[in-house]
Amino acid sequence: SSELTQDPAVSVALGQTVRITCQGDSLRSYFASWYQQKPGQAPVLVIYGKNNRPSGIPDRFSGSSSGNTASLTITGAQAEDEADYYCNSRDSSGNVLFGGGTKLTVL
Amino acid sequence: EVQLVESGGDLIQPGGSLRLSCAPSGFTVSGNYMSWVRQAPGKGLEWVSLIYSGGSTYYADSVKGRFTISRDTSKNTLYLQMNSVRAEDTAVYYCARDHPPYYDSSGYHTGGNGAFDIWGQGTMVTVSS
Repeated sequence: SSELTQDPAVSVALGQTVRITCQGDSLRSYFASWYQQKPGQAPVLVIYGKNNRPSGIPDRFSGSSSGNTASLTITGAQAEDEADYYCNSRDSSGNVLFGGGTKLTVL
Repeated sequence: EVQLVESGGDLIQPGGSLRLSCAPSGFTVSGNYMSWVRQAPGKGLEWVSLIYSGGSTYYADSVKGRFTISRDTSKNTLYLQMNSVRAEDTAVYYCARDHPPYYDSSGYHTGGNGAFDIWGQGTMVTVSS
């Protein structure tokens, strides 16, 4: 199917590690990208490709993939990481898909 | 500074037309893969359309036949022509640039993969009578 599925909400204790997942058939063939979006702001790319971070993104953000599942891991979550996180990828038709988003709460 | 600035958002009646513009600084629209992405109030991100540097275009099923992505090289501007708009087209519309081609441990990657590294601030389109 041409969809990407994310858990609607995830929580993590301050300083702990959290994994946000994204599932979809397209991920068997194409890498996911991950975005962080805070209220009232445009999304920010945090992970792309196999596991690449744009300049300025802290190294506590990392990406991985296995089969039809891509994961974003935040190691040592900070209060400022509280945000909505979206995955996306392309599909075999050349279109781009977005997951529904995961709201991350840092406790 | 590399950035994107959208404009053209407005209140428009159902069935009407509107053209959004996106002007980059620090790079050219013609040399990059460029997309439009929208976000309805309180909802998630939805990809709308993509134009390759070579000119090929792609559309989400929800806008196919109604929206047209284009670019003006002389003005270095990306457009989204929106026709036959519906209430469900109400959203903030972002333009975004695909990450330029790069190498990583898995090989060489061109654009069109949805790795949007530059986003505009968004422009609001409201469809209502």
